[in-house]
Amino acid sequence: GAGVSQSPRYKVTKRGQDVALRCDPISGHVSLYWYRQALGQGPEFLTYFNYEAQQDKSGLPNDRFSAERPEGSISTLTIQRTEQRDSAMYRCASSQITGWRTEAFFGQGTRLTVV
Amino acid sequence: AQRVTQPEKLLSVFKGAPVELKCNYSYSGSPELFWYVQYSRQRLQLLLRHISRESIKGFTADLNKGETSFHLKKPFAQEEDSAMYYCALSPTGFQKLVFGTGTRLLVSP
Repeated sequence: GAGVSQSPRYKVTKRGQDVALRCDPISGHVSLYWYRQALGQGPEFLTYFNYEAQQDKSGLPNDRFSAERPEGSISTLTIQRTEQRDSAMYRCASSQITGWRTEAFFGQGTRLTVV
Repeated sequence: AQRVTQPEKLLSVFKGAPVELKCNYSYSGSPELFWYVQYSRQRLQLLLRHISRESIKGFTADLNKGETSFHLKKPFAQEEDSAMYYCALSPTGFQKLVFGTGTRLLVSP
């Protein structure tokens, strides 16, 4: 069906608030990834899942960031007590199979602004 | 540590001119290399990867392990090639992408 869908597309939040970013991968895709992209930078890996299992969370910057994918489909990236430095484009991607050479399909991204 | 370097933030050429977007990487193993492209108001999408050894939209990229480079080339640029291009590597056995900072290609008529 449609590609990877992320919501909301834009989010403005006040410093200190919690935010939840949603990613709906391509149907049937096994792997799901989260990346963060600051202005003028390339995407930076945060975490990824195979099915519902979080395989690698080494890119999460601190314990305010967490992600889940409870049923192996939709994923939520949650940022608690947001700070201005969290402002960035958050990108989700999915791939059909697992493996380090697999093509990742990206969503449109969620632009988060913390004021 | 893995690192991807794209030295040019902006590359501006005229239509019909050759294009080369530079990408160098730092990695001790044998990575998989990719080029991703983002056209205006569109999502990031895969352009090509070295394992496929194919030409997409007239673009090619050759992996040079000696120089640790994966430059993207096209002999005759078109206006529709204007976009943001990201070089990325996937470390062996690691299911993630390490991106460079990107090069904006602007093709003028």
